[in-house]
Amino acid sequence: EVQLLESGGGLVQPGGSLRLSCAASGFTFSGYAMSWVRQAPGRGLEWVSAISGGGGTTSYADSVKGRFTISRDNSKNTLSLQMNSLRAEDTAIYYCAKAPTPYVSAAELDCWGQGTLVTVSS
Amino acid sequence: EIVMTQSPPTLSVSPGERATLSCRASQSINNNLAWYQQKPGQAPRLLISGASTRATGIPARFSGSGSGTEFTLTISSLQSEDFAVYYCQQYNNWPPTFGQGTKVESK
Repeated sequence: EVQLLESGGGLVQPGGSLRLSCAASGFTFSGYAMSWVRQAPGRGLEWVSAISGGGGTTSYADSVKGRFTISRDNSKNTLSLQMNSLRAEDTAIYYCAKAPTPYVSAAELDCWGQGTLVTVSS
Repeated sequence: EIVMTQSPPTLSVSPGERATLSCRASQSINNNLAWYQQKPGQAPRLLISGASTRATGIPARFSGSGSGTEFTLTISSLQSEDFAVYYCQQYNNWPPTFGQGTKVESK
């Protein structure tokens, strides 16, 4: 069974940093691209970042480019999101999600974790 | 980026009735459209990809149709567990974008 488990969320002050992790199991992790998608309280879904199965290709939403860094450790089946210079508008539940291919191409997301809440507030 | 517009924002349906949800893209996305279901406090779940292909384990009462710019998700006979928010997502162009959601509630 495919499982994705996020961790690392919490309360952080504006301008601060946070690192999210996603532990994957139940599938060949390196064979699939992964994404982070966020959902502000009471709002819809916003794609944040994606990384290819091998980790060599990454992409970011304009809203986080230059502040967030996505990475993966295929030896540990772990996806990460380093978030710097956080703003109030980054407050959201952050989901990691699996794509059906190894490529960073627009695709559906066929499995999602339960999410971790990031709150940016002073 | 492509803007996805869902209608209506809220749909009130009685159990056993048919529910029809719409999704419109700001430009053609061929059939590169997915539908997700999200229940309160839960992660989204993939229902449909390729505009009409049900994901593994999704009941046959869920069906998708459309291509180009106009898409529809139909729930043929609404069950109690189907009350949720439904999102469409295009993946024809980068970045992938989501609609704002349609909430299906009990009438």
